[in-house]
Amino acid sequence: DAGVIQSPRHEVTEMGQEVTLRCKPISGHNSLFWYRQTMMRGLELLIYFNNNVPIDDSGMPEDRFSAKMPNASFSTLKIQPSEPRDSAVYFCASSLSGDDQETQYFGPGTRLLVL
Amino acid sequence: GQSLEQPSEVTAVEGAIVQINCTYQTSGFYGLSWYQQHDGGAPTFLSYNALDGLEETGRFSSFLSRSDSYGYLLLQELQMKDSASYFCAVRDWGGTASKLTFGTGTRLQVTL
Repeated sequence: DAGVIQSPRHEVTEMGQEVTLRCKPISGHNSLFWYRQTMMRGLELLIYFNNNVPIDDSGMPEDRFSAKMPNASFSTLKIQPSEPRDSAVYFCASSLSGDDQETQYFGPGTRLLVL
Repeated sequence: GQSLEQPSEVTAVEGAIVQINCTYQTSGFYGLSWYQQHDGGAPTFLSYNALDGLEETGRFSSFLSRSDSYGYLLLQELQMKDSASYFCAVRDWGGTASKLTFGTGTRLQVTL
């Protein structure tokens, strides 16, 4: 299995630009999570989906952030407009809901720098 | 809400044993997980405790006491490659699926 795939791996953009991060979960997994990691705030859960339905988006910092999961094999996290404080590593993770441990498998992350 | 506390840094010598503690306060609890993250890498799963007691996986063990809202990760026969950050995470139920809330992480430095 290829694992969780994220793209792009690195993104440098200017303030005000739209940023779209993409994620392909592990085939067969039915839960998908978006996290943001910074030195100051650690690893924060932004939003998660179960069977393509958003379950909890309380971690989404502002209306500038939005996430979609149109099908079981693809999700996007969009920031519009981006700001320098959005600079962070964004991880996508997937798991099989109902599995005993519900281990989350993380993608390699997208390192975002907003200038 | 959830809150987790773990030490920010720990240093230990190669070959030694180190214990990383985690205390939590949570409104709902299904279990405690541990993840490892090397610099520049992604978190990877190490261990999970749903019930009180010790779970052993090779050189790593994890312990949970639900009554004390406390757990720890024990790393034995430390190797240089164990230098990484270690996160405890509380698993709770989000309505139709479970989610994890991560602690702030403990940075382990293994020295010669």
